[in-house]
Amino acid sequence: DAMVIQNPRYQVTQFGKPVTLSCSQTLNHNVMYWYQQKSSQAPKLLFHYYDKDFNNEADTPDNFQSRRPNTSFCFLDIRSPGLGDAAMYLCATSTTFKGRGVGARFGQGTRLTVV
Amino acid sequence: KQEVTQIPAALSVPEGENLVLNCSFTDSAIYNLQWFRQDPGKGLTSLLLIQSSQREQTSGRLNASLDKSSGRSTLYIAASQPGDSATYLCAVGPSNFGNEKLTFGTGTRLTIIP
Repeated sequence: DAMVIQNPRYQVTQFGKPVTLSCSQTLNHNVMYWYQQKSSQAPKLLFHYYDKDFNNEADTPDNFQSRRPNTSFCFLDIRSPGLGDAAMYLCATSTTFKGRGVGARFGQGTRLTVV
Repeated sequence: KQEVTQIPAALSVPEGENLVLNCSFTDSAIYNLQWFRQDPGKGLTSLLLIQSSQREQTSGRLNASLDKSSGRSTLYIAASQPGDSATYLCAVGPSNFGNEKLTFGTGTRLTIIP
């Protein structure tokens, strides 16, 4: 079954210690996104890749970086996690078919705890 | 800047009832609208996608409608079941980029009482 897979599901990291979250997809979608969702809040877009083109949101902190080595994988790097970065991180993919968006597909998320 | 609002924030209904969840958005220039379900501590599951040219979409007991001109969408759930308990989020995609850069509402937390 085609899907979006995030690893790990739960990640605990120390304050200031770099951490990487991963996302893979078997949908062959050309667009991949990273969203941050804090408790009881709406998911907030951090950045997205359109094919190989990286698109950063204006208010995404420099502390957050991303890599997309190929179509299937995308990584979220947090260079120096702070307590305020504790959140659920959601990876999503999308594409268009005959000129229409097929809708975003999300992974199960990674819950990041910063201690 | 697009803003998406979902009211109420929480809703409890007895099992078996039909119910409607509401979503409103401030900029009617959208490409599409999606309804998602989120269980506690989990990711988002896509329920329905409505393209901007469509008025409604149906899947099983779910029916979503879209009125672009008034900036509103509704999600109708028929014959609710305890397994429907979850948070329901709507999200709109801007017209410039297809369904990229979704703007989400904060969701309606639905509880179905057995």
